[in-house]
Amino acid sequence: DGGITQSPKYLFRKEGQNVTLSCEQNLNHDAMYWYRQDPGQGLRLIYYSQIVNDFQKGDIAEGYSVSREKKESFPLTVTSAQKNPTAFYLCASSHLAGGPYEQYFGPGTRLTVT
Amino acid sequence: DAKTTQPPSMDCAEGRAANLPCNHSTISGIEYVYWYRQIHSQGPQYIIHGLKNNETNEMASLIITEDRKSSTLILPHATLRDTAVYYCIVIMNRDDKIIFGKGTRLHILP
Repeated sequence: DGGITQSPKYLFRKEGQNVTLSCEQNLNHDAMYWYRQDPGQGLRLIYYSQIVNDFQKGDIAEGYSVSREKKESFPLTVTSAQKNPTAFYLCASSHLAGGPYEQYFGPGTRLTVT
Repeated sequence: DAKTTQPPSMDCAEGRAANLPCNHSTISGIEYVYWYRQIHSQGPQYIIHGLKNNETNEMASLIITEDRKSSTLILPHATLRDTAVYYCIVIMNRDDKIIFGKGTRLHILP
């Protein structure tokens, strides 16, 4: 089945450790996105990528890093520089070419840092 | 900031039509109206989108006013599974970013 997967669903880390969240899609989508969601809030864009080996900062990129070495994969690293890393992280993908498009979201990873 | 305004919450009786309003008074002529919903602890799910005309699919109907400054998402026969946060979003074709506001939390009452 085509879709977008994120792993793991729940992740626990100690403060000061870097952690990498996985995002994979087999939809042949050009663009991929990372969002962060805090309780009771909407989604905020962290990073996005429209093509392999290229990515742009979103609204809250500080303390995060990404890579896009393959079209299918867009991992997000939460570094120790991120002051409040505990949150629900969502990955999405979409086509870019053509007319209106929608973003397809993964199931999310809930990160808890203590 | 989000380009849309939605009520923070709404209730709807099971089996009735749920009508979710959205104001987007600054929408430009080339911007589309998209609706997503997010069930608790899941990723958002695309519902429907439109430009000027009303649209209908298997999930919902979208009614856009003639001046395009507001729209209404209609779930014709709401079920308990429709309990979710509904986001109304305005974006251009191939726009880089989708800005999600806080949405409307829809409660379906049994």
